[in-house]
Amino acid sequence: QVQLQESGPGLLKPSETLSLTCAVSGYSISSGYYWGWIRQPPGKGLEWIGTFYRSGSTYYNPSLKSRVTISVDTSKNQVSLRLSSVTAADTAVYYCARHRRGGYCSGASCPFDYWGQGTLVTVSS
Amino acid sequence: DIQMTQSPSSLSASVGDRVTITCQASQDISNYLNWYQQKPGKAPKLLIYDASNLETGVPSRFSGSGSGTDFSFTISSLQPEDIATYYCQQSDNLPLTFGGGTKVEIK
Repeated sequence: QVQLQESGPGLLKPSETLSLTCAVSGYSISSGYYWGWIRQPPGKGLEWIGTFYRSGSTYYNPSLKSRVTISVDTSKNQVSLRLSSVTAADTAVYYCARHRRGGYCSGASCPFDYWGQGTLVTVSS
Repeated sequence: DIQMTQSPSSLSASVGDRVTITCQASQDISNYLNWYQQKPGKAPKLLIYDASNLETGVPSRFSGSGSGTDFSFTISSLQPEDIATYYCQQSDNLPLTFGGGTKVEIK
């Protein structure tokens, strides 16, 4: 059973860098699948942040691309998210998720079939 | 970016009612449309992929249809455990985008 668990600081000051990790269990991320990050501001909808594939390919939402880095530590079986120069607008629950395989989609375009429980990050001075 | 417009934004129905949510894409996305259920304080759960395919383990009272720009999601007989917010999401093009959500409540 695949499980994902996000972790990281829950409170940041404006201009700081958000750093989150997603520990994956039940599957080796180096074996395949695409892995993504999605966020959800309190009481609002979902926003895709970006996706990583084991080949090193990354795909980012253009709205965040200049501030986002997604990487993988295969030795720890973790996916990481870094978001620089945060503001209050970055306050959200951050989820990591696995892209599904199969069907008509391909790669980073596929829907998300496994999600972490999410972690709330608040940006406040 | 492809804009996804869901309606209604909220609805209230009785147990056993048939509930339908619609999702419109700003351009043709073929059948690259997915539906998620999100209960309060929980992560979204994939219910339907490729417009009409039921994810493994999802009850058959959930269904989806549509292609191109217009899609619908139906709960054939609303159950108390279906209280949640439902989101559509297109997987035709990056960036992946979601609809604004439909909150389903029991009347």
